[in-house]
Amino acid sequence: DAKTTQPPSMDCAEGRAANLPCNHSTISGNEYVYWYRQIHSQGPQYIIHGLKNNETNEMASLIITEDRKSSTLILPHATLRDTAVYYCIITGNQFYFGTGTSLTVIP
Amino acid sequence: DAGVTQSPTHLIKTRGQQVTLRCSPKSGHDTVSWYQQALGQGPQFIFQYYEEEERQRGNFPDRFSGHQFPNYSSELNVNALLLGDSALYLCASSKGPRTGRNQPQHFGDGTRLSIL
Repeated sequence: DAKTTQPPSMDCAEGRAANLPCNHSTISGNEYVYWYRQIHSQGPQYIIHGLKNNETNEMASLIITEDRKSSTLILPHATLRDTAVYYCIITGNQFYFGTGTSLTVIP
Repeated sequence: DAGVTQSPTHLIKTRGQQVTLRCSPKSGHDTVSWYQQALGQGPQFIFQYYEEEERQRGNFPDRFSGHQFPNYSSELNVNALLLGDSALYLCASSKGPRTGRNQPQHFGDGTRLSIL
């Protein structure tokens, strides 16, 4: 399964868009990009996933580059409740979690 | 619609003991995967069960074993506990064994296992 590279930490002002990047240069053509987040002491929460096209749901948007080697998760209006560790996962047959990005939303 | 439920929420054991953790999948899901999450790390895949058989396994010793029941619920067993087994154990469920394709996993909130 392809591995990912994410910045260890990021800050974002409350109400602003949070843009979380992820590099996955070894992704294969049939592997999906998934994003999960984990708030302290809870299980990972599914956010969004995609294969090639950009995706949007009620929580976030996922932008995947044309060569599929990187992606960005966008939280359009960050709130304090969005403070969490965000994991970008490239899946083949298993979910491989890296160490993720710790996002802190600042009041 | 109940999500993934795990029991117990917390457990304390001593070295050398054995432990059994339990998981009930989300309604409509038939595949269960188990993960170990050490403090400050991302979850690591242990194994996956589908149709009552272990389908995939991560890099864990055979002290870690599991079982899936006809109602799709699952157990994780760990024998001869070591201090390093202290972690949050997460269960995730999905529909169908081809997890990681166009099929999100849904996670429970885990069992916090502490080894003294």
